Amino acid sequence: EPEVTQTPSHQVTQMGQEVILRCVPISNHLYFYWYRQILGQKVEFLVSFYNNEISEKSEIFDDQFSVERPDGSNFTLKIRSTKLEDSAMYFCASTWESNQPQHFGDGTRLSIL
Amino acid sequence: EDKVVQSPLSLVVHEGDTVTLNCSYEVTNFRSLLWYKQEKKAPTFLFMLTSSGIEKKSGRLSSILDKKELFSILNITATQTGDSAIYLCAVPYNQGGKLIFGQGTELSVKP
Repeated sequence: EPEVTQTPSHQVTQMGQEVILRCVPISNHLYFYWYRQILGQKVEFLVSFYNNEISEKSEIFDDQFSVERPDGSNFTLKIRSTKLEDSAMYFCASTWESNQPQHFGDGTRLSIL
Repeated sequence: EDKVVQSPLSLVVHEGDTVTLNCSYEVTNFRSLLWYKQEKKAPTFLFMLTSSGIEKKSGRLSSILDKKELFSILNITATQTGDSAIYLCAVPYNQGGKLIFGQGTELSVKP
C-alpha cells in the first residue's frame, strides 16, 4: 500500500538554526498538510497546500515557517530560525480529495537545543 | 470555538475486555468525523463517518456517529495487546480539509 514517507526521522538542531523537514506524499494525492504534536499535547494543524500554493495556515505558521513542493514529489517544511518551542513531532499528511481521509507519515521528531 | 473532545484520556483494560471510546465535537459546517490509531509513529486511518446512525465495522472495531448529539463512539471488542495505542478523533474544519484533533485516548491492554 502506498505510504507517505518523511525524512529524517529525528533531527537535532541548535536554536537559531534553519531546518528543512522533508515529505514524499502518496503519488496521486493533490492535497498536502503539515501538523505538529508537542509532547503530551494535541495534534495541531500548521498548513495546507493545494495547486502549488498555501490554501490555509494556522496562527502557529508565522514568517519563520515556509513550505515548498520543489519537484512534484517532495513537500518540504522549512523553519528559518528555530526556537526551543519548535521542539515537537512534525507530521506530513496527504489526500487525493480534501473530503477524503488524510494519510500520515511516520513523522520527524525535531529537538531544538 | 470549534473543538473536539475525547474521553476518557486513558484507559487500562485486560485482554478480552470490550472498550468504548468517546468523541464529542463542536465544529461549524460539520461534514465528517475520522478515527485514527496512533502507535509509535504515524496515525493510521480507521474510519470516516458522515451519516448518523450507520455503524462502520472492521473486524473487532466499530464506530457510529450521532449528528444530533454531536458525538461518536469507537468500540473495540475482545481487546488484544496489539490494540494498545492512542486513538485519535478528528473533524475536518473546512473545505480545505484542515483536521481538528481531540486529545486522544491512550488505551493500554494488559495480558
